[in-house]
Amino acid sequence: QSVLTQPPSVSGAPGLRVTISCSGSSSNIGAGYDVHWYQHLPGTAPRLLIFGDSNRPSGVPDRFSGSKSGTSASLAITGLQAEDEADYYCQSYDSSLSGWLFGGGTKLTVL
Amino acid sequence: QVQLQESGPGLVKPSGTLSLTCAVSGGSISSTYWWSWVRQPPTRGLEWIGEIYHRGTTNYNPSLRSRLTMSVDKSTNQFSLRLSSVTAADTAVYFCARLYGSGNYYKKRFDYWGQGILVTVFS
Repeated sequence: QSVLTQPPSVSGAPGLRVTISCSGSSSNIGAGYDVHWYQHLPGTAPRLLIFGDSNRPSGVPDRFSGSKSGTSASLAITGLQAEDEADYYCQSYDSSLSGWLFGGGTKLTVL
Repeated sequence: QVQLQESGPGLVKPSGTLSLTCAVSGGSISSTYWWSWVRQPPTRGLEWIGEIYHRGTTNYNPSLRSRLTMSVDKSTNQFSLRLSSVTAADTAVYFCARLYGSGNYYKKRFDYWGQGILVTVFS
């Protein structure tokens, strides 16, 4: 079964840096497919945060950055702010699924 | 600014058919985008359901394909989802979203989303 594995939760104090990992396989991230990241506050529309592994849409602060290596990708958030508290999801194409695959999501808590 | 809004019944009986519509505003559904459905079961992550192009071409999640039908209505700038033979496992918040990106299909991402609609399968 194709999966993108994320830690269920991460936390950090205001002003500090956190990273969220997204581990895939040779049928998705490892195959070179782009990784995208979304921020989601329950009850609202998910927001595209990072596309194409490391690109930010206009309006997304440069505190958010993405990277990819091998079969994994990471989202880094620097200068944590209370408003960053949300769920974060990675997403990529999967050739076994022949479709789009999301990670299980990571809940970020700002202490 | 493109906006998407889901609508449909919030309660569906087991073995019934879940029907949702997504209204697109601020842009034409006939543009060169794929229009998608994603769901989030309670306490779980996001699951891609499927997508449709304005010409009617579809891609479905294999786990749902046998129960799934998507359609586009260009006259009303809406697209729809029908999921048959539902069970409690289909209880989720359903989102519609636009799949965006030029060139390589595999580089596309979901750039606009609706706020989601909770559908509960309950007798």
